[in-house]
Amino acid sequence: DTGVSQDPRHKITKRGQNVTFRCDPISEHNRLYWYRQTLGQGPEFLTYFQNEAQLEKSRLLSDRFSAERPKGSFSTLEIQRTEQGDSAMYLCASSSPSGTGGPQHFGDGTRLSIL
Amino acid sequence: AQKVTQAQTEISVVEKEDVTLDCVYETRDTTYYLFWYKQPPSGELVFLIRRNSFDEQNEISGRYSWNFQKSTSSFNFTITASQVVDSAVYFCALRLENAGNMLTFGGGTRLMVKP
Repeated sequence: DTGVSQDPRHKITKRGQNVTFRCDPISEHNRLYWYRQTLGQGPEFLTYFQNEAQLEKSRLLSDRFSAERPKGSFSTLEIQRTEQGDSAMYLCASSSPSGTGGPQHFGDGTRLSIL
Repeated sequence: AQKVTQAQTEISVVEKEDVTLDCVYETRDTTYYLFWYKQPPSGELVFLIRRNSFDEQNEISGRYSWNFQKSTSSFNFTITASQVVDSAVYFCALRLENAGNMLTFGGGTRLMVKP
């Protein structure tokens, strides 16, 4: 069990640029989640995949945000035309398919800073 | 809609003191799951415990204990004989059985344990 892996750990970019983050879940986990955490706040849900299907999307996920999980393994989160308000920690989590309410295991996150 | 409130934004204790972190949740659903996560300075959210709404038994794990009371919609977390390594932000979270897979987090409590 190598844990949830996120890349990069830090991303600094200028406003208006596009950025893409990657998440590799725990290998046997078919469920994958993206959250956003701003300074001093709890994480907020963005979207959820079961295998390659994106089953839930939060209203926080504007049209500039897109997430994919093409082969049901790793996932990418892309933000187009970044804005100052996108500065946050982007967290990925995964959980196993067994039962319901199973714990989500989180990665270290990608910290995005918009200049 | 569901909500999680952690009224204590910051707590400071001296090593070896006991400390209780409060969590109050709101939901009209009867089936749900409650979680506690620890977020050390490194940023990764570490899963600590999960409780389902039908299991009100308190749980103890080493120096950690959890008190779940449906009557007051609370799921409090106590650390006995605190240590410096316990310093972190602690989050309480709620997941509803019939509302998808998202976790709703509280705002977190920053615990500082001083030597």
